[in-house]
Amino acid sequence: GESVGLHLPTLSVQEGDNSIINCAYSNSASDYFIWYKQESGKGPQFIIDIRSNMDKRQGQRVTVLLNKTVKHLSLQIAATQPGDSAVYFCAENAPTDSWGKLQFGAGTQVVVTP
Amino acid sequence: DAGITQSPRHKVTETGTPVTLRCHQTENHRYMYWYRQDPGHGLRLIHYSYGVKDTDKGEVSDGYSVSRSKTEDFLLTLESATSSQTSVYFCAISEPGATLDTQYFGPGTRLTVL
Repeated sequence: GESVGLHLPTLSVQEGDNSIINCAYSNSASDYFIWYKQESGKGPQFIIDIRSNMDKRQGQRVTVLLNKTVKHLSLQIAATQPGDSAVYFCAENAPTDSWGKLQFGAGTQVVVTP
Repeated sequence: DAGITQSPRHKVTETGTPVTLRCHQTENHRYMYWYRQDPGHGLRLIHYSYGVKDTDKGEVSDGYSVSRSKTEDFLLTLESATSSQTSVYFCAISEPGATLDTQYFGPGTRLTVL
């Protein structure tokens, strides 16, 4: 994951449009990636995951794309809704001897406008 | 919140006082984690546990200790709180196996040290 300044990057999206949230990961050995959604005052909520043997995975209204060549991960949200307003962050797992340890990015603030 | 509760949800304390945060899970998951979340940083691992009485340090463990006497409870203790420990603390759980790397989070505890 990467660290950013005190102010999170913000993505403003009009309701009904598609959102694309990007994440650059740091470790080329990472083999598992997760996207989380965090609403204000709540804990992070699992959205979707992907393993390094895949380059795309789809869920309900969400798609995760993985480009291992440039160490880039993206989350696409179709038909963005007001309830999608939240901070989204990615996490990567670099395998260790005994267990997986997640590294988290600082996140992107998504604001959905009517 | 995946059967995870944290208590208290909010706490204000003074520098130098001991503080204990509790994480309780009903999922019977073996792995439990404590993270802190601060502006500009991703979630940072404080300590984790891989079973009853089995714990280890994370990347920001100084000033914190943990205990796990039962599968369902994981306690985080600040022996002598400092202002730098003002943060939001999240507990997470995961289950060994194919989904080991997927961590599910509790609602968080907001701690203010004056």
